[in-house]
Amino acid sequence: QKEVEQNSGPLSVPEGAIASLNCTYSDRGSQSFFWYRQYSGKSPELIMFIYSNGDKEDGRFTAQLNKASQYVSLLIRDSQPSDSATYLCADDDKIIFGKGTRLHILP
Amino acid sequence: GAVVSQHPSRVICKSGTSVKIECRSLDFQATTMFWYRQFPKQSLMLMATSNEGSKATYEQGVEKDKFLINHASLTLSTLTVTSAHPEDSSFYICSARRGQGFYEQYFGPGTRLTVT
Repeated sequence: QKEVEQNSGPLSVPEGAIASLNCTYSDRGSQSFFWYRQYSGKSPELIMFIYSNGDKEDGRFTAQLNKASQYVSLLIRDSQPSDSATYLCADDDKIIFGKGTRLHILP
Repeated sequence: GAVVSQHPSRVICKSGTSVKIECRSLDFQATTMFWYRQFPKQSLMLMATSNEGSKATYEQGVEKDKFLINHASLTLSTLTVTSAHPEDSSFYICSARRGQGFYEQYFGPGTRLTVT
């Protein structure tokens, strides 16, 4: 059974600081990963995907993938109150989601 | 990003009736679509994978005769909740996969179903 695990949080980060979200996965065969953001009562929104070891940057977001250690992370720089949401990571197959991490940016 | 629509966005129905939810990929062709269900404060649970022109693949514990899925075209998949009961009340979300090989997946806005 493929699993993707995240700390459910909540993770509280001061506005302007860096928020770090982590995800571990069980299937070494997973090739790529996706980070989604979900606001309460809304459907998930794709933020980033990553399929190569290392870092991938897009604006304030940086995704990091370490296949040897089987984890993927998302860094949010200069955190804003609008970043407060649940962040979901998912692998590349059926998009099995972790439970998500609730992020709360403190103004 | 790509656009996926769902209709209706909200529906209230009486127990025992059936409800159909449509999922459309508006600006790309989706050979694969997924249906999820999400209860309050819980994670998304994959219900089934829908492939155009073939039968849907249901996840363990999901009744295929109760949740009928039809993927009639490359841009449309439907989920019909048959003989709905109050415990079927939930947020139903579809997603569509774009691309071959490496792909991206986009979600519809969701349908909130309330069964009274």
